[in-house]
Amino acid sequence: DTAVSQTPKYLVTQMGNDKSIKCEQNLGHDTMYWYKQDSKKFLKIMFSYNNKELIINETVPNRFSPKSPDKAHLNLHINSLELGDSAVYFCASSPHFAMNTEAFFGQGTRLTVV
Amino acid sequence: GDSVTQMEGPVTLSEEAFLTINCTYTATGYPSLFWYVQYPGEGLQLLLKATKADDKGSNKGFEATYRKETTSFHLEKGSVQVSDSAVYFCALIPNQAGTALIFGKGTTLSVSS
Repeated sequence: DTAVSQTPKYLVTQMGNDKSIKCEQNLGHDTMYWYKQDSKKFLKIMFSYNNKELIINETVPNRFSPKSPDKAHLNLHINSLELGDSAVYFCASSPHFAMNTEAFFGQGTRLTVV
Repeated sequence: GDSVTQMEGPVTLSEEAFLTINCTYTATGYPSLFWYVQYPGEGLQLLLKATKADDKGSNKGFEATYRKETTSFHLEKGSVQVSDSAVYFCALIPNQAGTALIFGKGTTLSVSS
């Protein structure tokens, strides 16, 4: 069983479209994250949720909106996609935001905006 | 703010060579330190970790020691294999609630036979 799974793995879309990436974890963790990896492989935190509550909201355009229907799911919706949004987006989870442990990552979603 | 600096790549080695990837950090307090590995087309996998000063993390022949006096967490392996070719990320998480992993820029390792 995959611990942290994201769908889709690849997403190619046109500028201006709206798209969503879904993430699910079956580890029983309380905290989930979205990271963005740019073309130079640099990883930056975007959001984190703990048990459906927003904990971290970095400086990200408000076209990006995370949604956590329950603690096992954290989806990322992106409105009005721009060329600069092209990147690999990683979902991750960790046991609890107060425990400061490692995070477990999904396989990533490669978003290409054309 | 807290940050991680790791050596620029790419690092190119022959099989069975010794590997060192340098990593230093800036943080207030006592962060936990990690090395993650990303194989081509895959997500990040935890390679090893250390949670306090002088701890040594080890896994699959890789080692790193948490050195508070030099704020370093260098990754080493005595004999690399072609299958070790990947991108290696040093990371820290601050010792306070509600934070997330902070990554270095990654070092690409290429091992040839």
